[in-house]
Amino acid sequence: DVKVTQSSRYLVKRTGEKVFLECVQDMDHENMFWYRQDPGLGLRLIYFSYDVKMKEKGDIPEGYSVSREKKERFSLILESASTNQTSMYLCASSLSPQISGFRGYEQFFGPGTRLTVL
Amino acid sequence: GIQVEQSPPDLILQEGANSTLRCNFSDSVNNLQWFHQNPWGQLINLFYIPSGTKQNGRLSATTVATERYSLLYISSSQTTDSGVYFCAVEGGYNKLIFGAGTRLAVHP
Repeated sequence: DVKVTQSSRYLVKRTGEKVFLECVQDMDHENMFWYRQDPGLGLRLIYFSYDVKMKEKGDIPEGYSVSREKKERFSLILESASTNQTSMYLCASSLSPQISGFRGYEQFFGPGTRLTVL
Repeated sequence: GIQVEQSPPDLILQEGANSTLRCNFSDSVNNLQWFHQNPWGQLINLFYIPSGTKQNGRLSATTVATERYSLLYISSSQTTDSGVYFCAVEGGYNKLIFGAGTRLAVHP
């Protein structure tokens, strides 16, 4: 089974702090994703990565950055946390459709991190 | 971009009842997934079903890609089926576009 883990289930930070959210997958997936989920807005893509050191902006990248130094690990960074970044953050991974065909489109999610910024 | 609409937004069932959840999407897609989000926030993969029909126990799903809709059937519902059900489609370079979800409550 695919396993995607996230470093924390719950996190409380103060405005202005630098925050790191870590995600690790154990299935050698090429693609990794960060989403945030908010009531009434659903899940929205922040950033994704299709290879080590490669990243692409999603729909709402402002206020975030990412790092992928190893294939299995994808970090989301809040450079200076703000209260409007209080949310549920979900990491996902998938194979690459370019390599694996249609099976590469299926994404697998971690348990999520509920971040509160005070 | 692709639009994904789910219906109904809310559903209340008595344990043992059957239900059908619908997902409409606005363009052809390579990927369609159904997820169940449990009360702790975990998104659990139910089906990867860009076309055709699949069954897994009491759950089954059908996607009619040419008509741009998918249906999720839940039979003999149980209280553990409660939560939010999401449909998501691929919106370009593997990005998933999620619907707003159907919130299901199953009462004993």
